[in-house]
Amino acid sequence: LAKTTQPISMDSYEGQEVNITCSHNNIATNDYITWYQQFPSQGPRFIIQGYKTKVTNEVASLFIPADRKSSTLSLPRVSLSDTAVYYCLVVGAGSYQLTFGKGTKLSVIP
Amino acid sequence: NAGVMQNPRHLVRRRGQEARLRCSPMKGHSHVYWYRQLPEEGLKFMVYLQKENIIDESGMPKERFSAEFPKEGPSILRIQQVVRGDSAAYFCASSPPTAYSSYNEQFFGPGTRLTVL
Repeated sequence: LAKTTQPISMDSYEGQEVNITCSHNNIATNDYITWYQQFPSQGPRFIIQGYKTKVTNEVASLFIPADRKSSTLSLPRVSLSDTAVYYCLVVGAGSYQLTFGKGTKLSVIP
Repeated sequence: NAGVMQNPRHLVRRRGQEARLRCSPMKGHSHVYWYRQLPEEGLKFMVYLQKENIIDESGMPKERFSAEFPKEGPSILRIQQVVRGDSAAYFCASSPPTAYSSYNEQFFGPGTRLTVL
């Protein structure tokens, strides 16, 4: 299993763009990069998943360089409701065991 | 389409008692997963079940813990003779059946917070 490393915490003001970088130096060829969001007292919620280059959905963008040893989750114009813990996961194709680290605790300040 | 449901949301037990946690997967989902989250930690995989089958229980403690997903009714995570170290949030997730080469997005329930006194 590829290990992931991400900052423990980040602060941001409302309306700013937030970029959370995750390193996964030992990522394997058939691994996907997946991000989950968890609010207090709730279960994690899938945000976005990618393999390479850039993926964008209505919630976030995911940037993955060519070597795939890192990835950046980008949240545009955050609001107070984006305060949560964000987890970067490396998941093998067909794998069902999700391995969560401690995540990045994002605090959005008014 | 209701999401994954777990009950109870909060459960208090004294040491030595039994805890039963229930999980109803999303409609159409036949795969259930249980995870445990200790305070200030990430979720840890415990067990993967399909209807009437335990597929992978490699994350389950060898003693006192068991899980089932019967043909009818919710999945149950059972902890016998609870100890203080069992205090944690227990999350259930479900996913639909897909081909092996596809990534299964897992949909998580709100969790059951177990407190052992």
